[in-house]
Amino acid sequence: GAGVSQSPRYKVAKRGQDVALRCDPISGHVSLFWYQQALGQGPEFLTYFQNEAQLDKSGLPSDRFFAERPEGSVSTLKIQRTQQEDSAVYLCASSPGTGPYGYTFGSGTRLTVV
Amino acid sequence: DAKTTQPTSMDCAEGRAANLPCNHSTISGNEYVYWYRQIHSQGPQYIIHGLKNNETNEMASLIITEDRKSSTLILPHATLRDTAVYYCIVRVNTGTASKLTFGTGTRLQVTL
Repeated sequence: GAGVSQSPRYKVAKRGQDVALRCDPISGHVSLFWYQQALGQGPEFLTYFQNEAQLDKSGLPSDRFFAERPEGSVSTLKIQRTQQEDSAVYLCASSPGTGPYGYTFGSGTRLTVV
Repeated sequence: DAKTTQPTSMDCAEGRAANLPCNHSTISGNEYVYWYRQIHSQGPQYIIHGLKNNETNEMASLIITEDRKSSTLILPHATLRDTAVYYCIVRVNTGTASKLTFGTGTRLQVTL
């Protein structure tokens, strides 16, 4: 596609529920990133994939957060047993490779845990 | 990655040039300067990046000082649609894609 697509656009989850957020990067983009953005803050790094390999997951806040990209294209961010502090916008970004490229971000998924 | 310092907010009249400063005094020789902006309810949008030389594209110009300790993003003719939060980020390019570390950015308000 022309851009990075994320779904759903909005998600309301009850506390304790599991959620799955999807990211469709630009076709052929090697690098894929997930970020979390709390209200009024800048985005914070969660994890990075190069093709199907998860090379950096240092930003995942707890073991309730899990990301995968099994075929090196679509990625899913899963949050188990959601808590209120997980409420945020989850952003996905992709880039063509590993050089000094700018990243293309999706519009994000706004997760609200009630 | 080196830390950046930006003013919290700025105003600019529509049609005038918007000059957004950024300090990155601890920047290393292999770190690039990137600028992104985020319009309300959207994901960040890449604007421009540079290493040493000044850069220009269809969106903006990037002026990097000779010592590379600061830079300025210039929007030559600001419009209301340029109202956004602008992030200045320095990032190493080592052959492996590396994460962007966002600060709090500069909130630019373009007014009539």
